Amino acid sequence: EAGVVQSPRYKIIEKKQPVAFWCNPISGHNTLYWYLQNLGQGPELLIRYENEEAVDDSQLPKDRFSAERLKGVDSTLKIQPAELGDSAVYLCASSGTSGTNTGELFFGEGSRLTVL
Amino acid sequence: RKEVEQDPGPFNVPEGATVAFNCTYSNSASQSFFWYRQDCRKEPKLLMSVYSSGNEDGRFTAQLNRASQYISLLIRDSKLSDSATYLCVGSASKIIFGSGTRLSIRP
Repeated sequence: EAGVVQSPRYKIIEKKQPVAFWCNPISGHNTLYWYLQNLGQGPELLIRYENEEAVDDSQLPKDRFSAERLKGVDSTLKIQPAELGDSAVYLCASSGTSGTNTGELFFGEGSRLTVL
Repeated sequence: RKEVEQDPGPFNVPEGATVAFNCTYSNSASQSFFWYRQDCRKEPKLLMSVYSSGNEDGRFTAQLNRASQYISLLIRDSKLSDSATYLCVGSASKIIFGSGTRLSIRP
């Protein structure tokens, strides 16, 4: 069974440029998460989807970040314009259970962003 | 104050030693707790869930103390392959990760 797939694995851009990350969760997983992880820190939630609905986007900086999961399967996270402080690893995770009492999150390998 | 706090380490212990990590959480409404393992430049992976009664999986034992709001992870007979970052996770209205504790096992 395929795991969570993310692309691109690495992206280097100049500040003020746009960037987009794509995630395909494990088949059948209705809950999808986007996390941001800085070096030496734990993952921080950006947004959680239940099917196509964003049920928790309170931590998403909406002035420059946007996300969508139009058909309740794959998802895209966009940053426009990127700032130097956005350099981090963007992790996508999925879960086969809904809500926050989920048994396990399955993470993709992440998309490492460097903003110059 | 962070909702889930861990000692960042690093813990540097010899192979075969027993090592223990603690993690504290501030949200008393937290219901579920987990330990994840993250290898360098890799994604986090679930190590084990933490139950109120305590649970053991081979060399790993997890404990939950709701009164003091902390969870612990004990690793016995540590192996070189246990070297990683261990992330404490609490779940209430959202899933919160701690910053992680780095463990390095030396030969």
